Amino acid sequence: DIVMTQSPDSLAVSLGERATINCKSSQAVLYNSDNRNYLAWYQQKPGQPPKLLISWASTRESGVPDRFSGSGSGTDFTLTISSLQAEDVTVYYCQQYFTTPYTFGQGTRLEIK
Amino acid sequence: QVHLQQWGAGLLKPAETLSLTCDVNDGTFNDYYWNWLRQAPGKRLEWIGDIVYTGGTNSNPSLQSRVTISIDTSRKQISLQLRSVTVADTAVYYCARGRGPHNKWGQGTLVTVTA
Repeated sequence: DIVMTQSPDSLAVSLGERATINCKSSQAVLYNSDNRNYLAWYQQKPGQPPKLLISWASTRESGVPDRFSGSGSGTDFTLTISSLQAEDVTVYYCQQYFTTPYTFGQGTRLEIK
Repeated sequence: QVHLQQWGAGLLKPAETLSLTCDVNDGTFNDYYWNWLRQAPGKRLEWIGDIVYTGGTNSNPSLQSRVTISIDTSRKQISLQLRSVTVADTAVYYCARGRGPHNKWGQGTLVTVTA
């Protein structure tokens, strides 16, 4: 199985500041034939299912604010929130869908400093 | 607007069979893979398996021997059976759309396994 490791486990950021969450996969999730990274980011609020924010490492879902962005390729990826808002304070997960079983990172909890 | 509504028994004893159903209000049911995932308390999300309208399935090798995922295209429903449950199977179970990434999710069903 591909192991997904996020860092840090928790992160405290001031409102309006930038938040950066990292995700590393144990093997590359870049598919050479289509040059796409099979990597997604989710946001999960308490008592709710995960919400897909970004797919293909950097493609924002419709309706997701543009302060959320994804970057990276191969085995190293980043989710950036350019200006933290109060409603962004929750848990974030990365997921690889390059191969089954699809696997998730352990989650990063974002808090207000 | 796609809506996934799931239901099933929430309290089981060890060795029983978990059974959940997910109803998909989606006119494009046949266009997608449909998944089951779970999240145990304090643990990361775990993909259980998926199914497509033809009946083709994939499942996580860690659970494969105990899992059956089925589909009813006429009712637009998918189902999960997990046999011989233990306390380690206690989790919130979700159905979700898409062959990774999963862009629509059910509300989740808490299944507790306790003697």
